[in-house]
Amino acid sequence: EVQLVESGGALVQPGGSLRLSCAASGIGFSNSWMAWVRLAPGRGLDWVASVNQDGGATYYGASVRGRFAVSRDNAKNSLFLQMNSLRAEDTAVYYCAFLITEGSNWYFDYWGQGTLVTVSS
Amino acid sequence: QSALTQPASVSGSPGQSVTISCSGTSSDVGKYNLVSWYQQHPGKGPKVIIHEVTKRPSGVSNRFSGSKSGNMASLTISGLQAEDEADYYCCAHAGSYSWVFGGGTKLTVL
Repeated sequence: EVQLVESGGALVQPGGSLRLSCAASGIGFSNSWMAWVRLAPGRGLDWVASVNQDGGATYYGASVRGRFAVSRDNAKNSLFLQMNSLRAEDTAVYYCAFLITEGSNWYFDYWGQGTLVTVSS
Repeated sequence: QSALTQPASVSGSPGQSVTISCSGTSSDVGKYNLVSWYQQHPGKGPKVIIHEVTKRPSGVSNRFSGSKSGNMASLTISGLQAEDEADYYCCAHAGSYSWVFGGGTKLTVL
């Protein structure tokens, strides 16, 4: 069974930092692209970041570029999101997901349950 | 990139069909056949129900179907069941390994 478990969410002050983790099991983690997607209160899903299989290529949504950094540790089947200079609008549930690549077809699959990040003073 | 536009809510009675629209641009929905749809129940992570515009993953009911015309994608749910009540999100590739989601549609089964 494929399982993704996010952790690290917390209440943090504006301008602060936080590191999220995602532990994967049950699927070829090291062979897969991975992604972070967030769901903010009253707003839709928002793609945050993606990383390729070896961590050498990373991509970010416009609202987090330059503040967030995605990384992975394939030896530990883990995905990370370092979040700096946090703003109130970053408040959301953060999900990790596999970014499935099947030839030219790409889509998100096997989402975790999410971890809540609240940015407030 | 701007979020895709979905209706905030739709509703239908058991057994009926409903369609959820997803409006994008010629840079995302209209440019690539990489539209996917996700179902999310309260407190759960999203689940993919349609990918590559029309394809259903194994295990997803054939009551779910997707289509696209120009810059507009649609999800149709036929034979509505109580368990279909959830939030639904569309997603499109927007080029350069970037993705854009819709604002979500709350489906109520009356």
